[in-house]
Amino acid sequence: EDQVTQSPEALRLQEGESSSLNCSYTVSGLRGLFWYRQDPGKGPEFLFTLYSAGEEKEKERLKATLTKKESFLHITAPKPEDSATYLCAVQAPGAQKLVFGQGTRLTINP
Amino acid sequence: DAGVIQSPRHEVTEMGQEVTLRCKPISGHDYLFWYRQTMMRGLELLIYFNNNVPIDDSGMPEDRFSAKMPNASFSTLKIQPSEPRDSAVYFCASVKQYNEQFFGPGTRLTVL
Repeated sequence: EDQVTQSPEALRLQEGESSSLNCSYTVSGLRGLFWYRQDPGKGPEFLFTLYSAGEEKEKERLKATLTKKESFLHITAPKPEDSATYLCAVQAPGAQKLVFGQGTRLTINP
Repeated sequence: DAGVIQSPRHEVTEMGQEVTLRCKPISGHDYLFWYRQTMMRGLELLIYFNNNVPIDDSGMPEDRFSAKMPNASFSTLKIQPSEPRDSAVYFCASVKQYNEQFFGPGTRLTVL
């Protein structure tokens, strides 16, 4: 069974304090790994898709990386507006559905 | 495009009542997904459709839940009868094959 585990569950940082969120996965093959951001009271918002080990993608202060067993979402010099829950999901080959992790709730204090 | 549209945004009902949640996917998308999100269980896939046909309903918790997609621009998720443990946020998402899923704003359901 495909599984996704995210850590930590919650992370509190000071503005400007860089850190990383982890997403470990077990899947029978990997078609893609997805990162989403979810603000309170809203639906998840797509950030990145990674397809193969070694791939990296960046968007503003966020950079996502992928290995054969895990993905990291690095946040550099975060700002309070980066506060949100970050969700990771995996997609198996030939499948349309995503399996989501529980998320990491990130809080950036000014 | 307006994105995925869900209605109502909030629903409060009493145990035993029928609840119908509605979703309008993004035009041109050929897959539609229904999810449920709770603090305890996170985001769970309930059912998904391809070109209006249900493909996988293994996540539907029990027979009280049913979903339909009569055409490419409309889907419903129905709970009958509703129970307090059904209280959650229900999301609809649509996707054009193998691309990223776009989520709606969700319906917060409270069953008293």
